[in-house]
Amino acid sequence: DTGVSQDPRHKITKRGQNVTFRCDPISEHNRLYWYRQTLGQGPEFLTYFQNEAQLEKSRLLSDRFSAERPKGSFSTLEIQRTEQGDSAMYLCASSLGEYQPQHFGDGTRLSIL
Amino acid sequence: AQSVAQPEDQVNVAEGNPLTVKCTYSVSGNPYLFWYVQYPNRGLQFLLKYITGDNLVKGSYGFEAEFNKSQTSFHLKKPSALVSDSALYFCAVRDTISSGSARQLTFGSGTQLTVLP
Repeated sequence: DTGVSQDPRHKITKRGQNVTFRCDPISEHNRLYWYRQTLGQGPEFLTYFQNEAQLEKSRLLSDRFSAERPKGSFSTLEIQRTEQGDSAMYLCASSLGEYQPQHFGDGTRLSIL
Repeated sequence: AQSVAQPEDQVNVAEGNPLTVKCTYSVSGNPYLFWYVQYPNRGLQFLLKYITGDNLVKGSYGFEAEFNKSQTSFHLKKPSALVSDSALYFCAVRDTISSGSARQLTFGSGTQLTVLP
């Protein structure tokens, strides 16, 4: 069990730039989740994949955000035209089934200058 | 809509003493409840879950949690705290009858546990 891997761990960018994060879930897990966590808060759900299908998206996921999981394995989360308010920790999680625990990666911390 | 409340931002306890981290929830149907722990600059680690069955759930690292339906609570407990237990603890809930994105986990705002040597 190699765990959920996220890359990069830290990203610093200027406002208005585009950024892309990658998540590699645990290999046998078909469900993949993206969350956003700001300081002093719990993670907030962004979107969810079952295999390659994006089944649910939160209202938090504005049209500047897009996520993909093209082959049902790794996933990418892209933020276009970044804003100051996008500064947060972006967490990826995966699970084996609907009621199984989600296993989290260590996150990508995004800082917008 | 589902929600979770962790009424204490900070809990301090002496090493060797029992600890309790409180969580209350609100759901329309039956709850699925989880506890996670987060260390600085790390992701969340699963501790334990309640879906159905025995109200006392045992989890990792000696932690346990008690589900109380009448009080809508799911408090995390440990009989004897260790300094290494110091971390941020999150309670999370899922409603069995919600639909769409509401079926996903809702997390509390977290409780910082500090175990004093």
